[in-house]
Amino acid sequence: GQQVMQIPQYQHVQEGEDFTTYCNSSTTLSNIQWYKQRPGGHPVFLIQLVKSGEVKKQKRLTFQFGEAKKNSSLHITATQTTDVGTYFCAGPVRYGNKLVFGAGTILRVKS
Amino acid sequence: DARVTQTPRHKVTEMGQEVTMRCQPILGHNTVFWYRQTMMQGLELLAYFRNRAPLDDSGMPKDRFSAEMPDATLATLKIQPSEPRDSAVYFCASGLGGRADTQYFGPGTRLTVL
Repeated sequence: GQQVMQIPQYQHVQEGEDFTTYCNSSTTLSNIQWYKQRPGGHPVFLIQLVKSGEVKKQKRLTFQFGEAKKNSSLHITATQTTDVGTYFCAGPVRYGNKLVFGAGTILRVKS
Repeated sequence: DARVTQTPRHKVTEMGQEVTMRCQPILGHNTVFWYRQTMMQGLELLAYFRNRAPLDDSGMPKDRFSAEMPDATLATLKIQPSEPRDSAVYFCASGLGGRADTQYFGPGTRLTVL
């Protein structure tokens, strides 16, 4: 079945360092979504990318969708302690409304 | 602002007991999803509904789990009988039902089965 893989599983960075998480799908995606889950919280939608090669920015966060629409990345510049949490990517299945979620990347930031 | 609500937020029960979790989707959303999250398995889709009809419950153990939407404002997930391995956080999410649908998650129910 359709799979979405994320790496790394876990990253611990010093505050101010950059962070990147990568997402790869086994199939071409019509779109990719990113969610953030704070410790003890619930996943919260961050952004959706639709076009091949699309790049979107939200303040210090930069999201990219690959040209082949099978991979994506989230880059955080100059991490802050408020960035801690788990970042999930998710892509829709071919038919229906389901999303396939990656396993997530846990980000910890040392101050 | 509109949110998905879930009750109870925490539940501790003993093995063999029935557990019912409730979810109120965002008004106007016509898709509802139930997920289970554990450290080992991550976020697993258990079941989902569109316009109150169950579309996929392949992720759900059929012998003990059941999911229903008695009306558009209420979704339920029931476990009977519960087992210690059911201990997890259960999230409900809702969406507008479009092809590129964003999902809005509730705060979750943290279930502990002793």
